[in-house]
Amino acid sequence: KQEVTQIPAALSVPEGENLVLNCSFTDSAIYNLQWFRQDPGKGLTSLLLIQSSQREQTSGRLNASLDKSSGRSTLYIAASQPGDSATYLCAVERKLIFGTGTRLQVFP
Amino acid sequence: DTAVSQTPKYLVTQMGNDKSIKCEQNLGHDTMYWYKQDSKKFLKIMFSYNNKELIINETVPNRFSPKSPDKAHLNLHINSLELGDSAVYFCASSQGPSGANVLTFGAGSRLTVL
Repeated sequence: KQEVTQIPAALSVPEGENLVLNCSFTDSAIYNLQWFRQDPGKGLTSLLLIQSSQREQTSGRLNASLDKSSGRSTLYIAASQPGDSATYLCAVERKLIFGTGTRLQVFP
Repeated sequence: DTAVSQTPKYLVTQMGNDKSIKCEQNLGHDTMYWYKQDSKKFLKIMFSYNNKELIINETVPNRFSPKSPDKAHLNLHINSLELGDSAVYFCASSQGPSGANVLTFGAGSRLTVL
C-alpha cells in the first residue's frame, strides 16, 4: 500500500530564504509525482508534474526533483516571498495518493 | 471563467439528511474526481469517472453515490449523513485518467454535519 509522507509538517521562514520541502513514498512504482499548493479555503493548484522517467521539473522559482529508487521528491523554492505562504502537497500516481502536506509561512 | 466549479461552497445539515454536491468543469476534460479532505487536512480520493464511466471507487460507504450525467459533470450524493462525513470535498478534473495529466481542482465544498 502506497504511503506518502511530507516533512516538515510546518515551516516558518523569513522572506528571501531558499527552501526545501520533502516528500517520500513507499512504493516506487509510480506513474508521476505532482506538487500542489493549497491556499486557505481554496482548492489546490498544480505546481509541477514530474513523469516517472524524469528527474526534475522547473517553473519559475520552483524546482522539483524525483528519485524513484529512493522514493523521494523535493520541492525547492528559491528566494521565498510572503505570497508563497500556503500548504504544499505532493501526490503520487497511480490513484493520486496525497502526502500529509507542509504548511509554509513566509514572513516579511 | 471558473474551470472547475462546485456548489454549494458551504453546506450545514443535520445527521440523517440526504444532500448533494455538484461539480462542473468547462475544460473539456475526460476524467473527473471526488476527494475528501478530513480535519487533519489529509486528502483522499473517493471516486473517479472517465467519460461517465466509474474507474476508481475507493473504500467509501455506499451512502455515497457519485453520478456523472455527462463528462463535464460529476455530482456527489450522500444519504443518511453522519457526523464523520463532515469534511471538505474537492472535485477535480484531468485530461485523462492517469499518466501525464495535471489535475485541476475546484475550490471545495465544506460539509458540516450537526
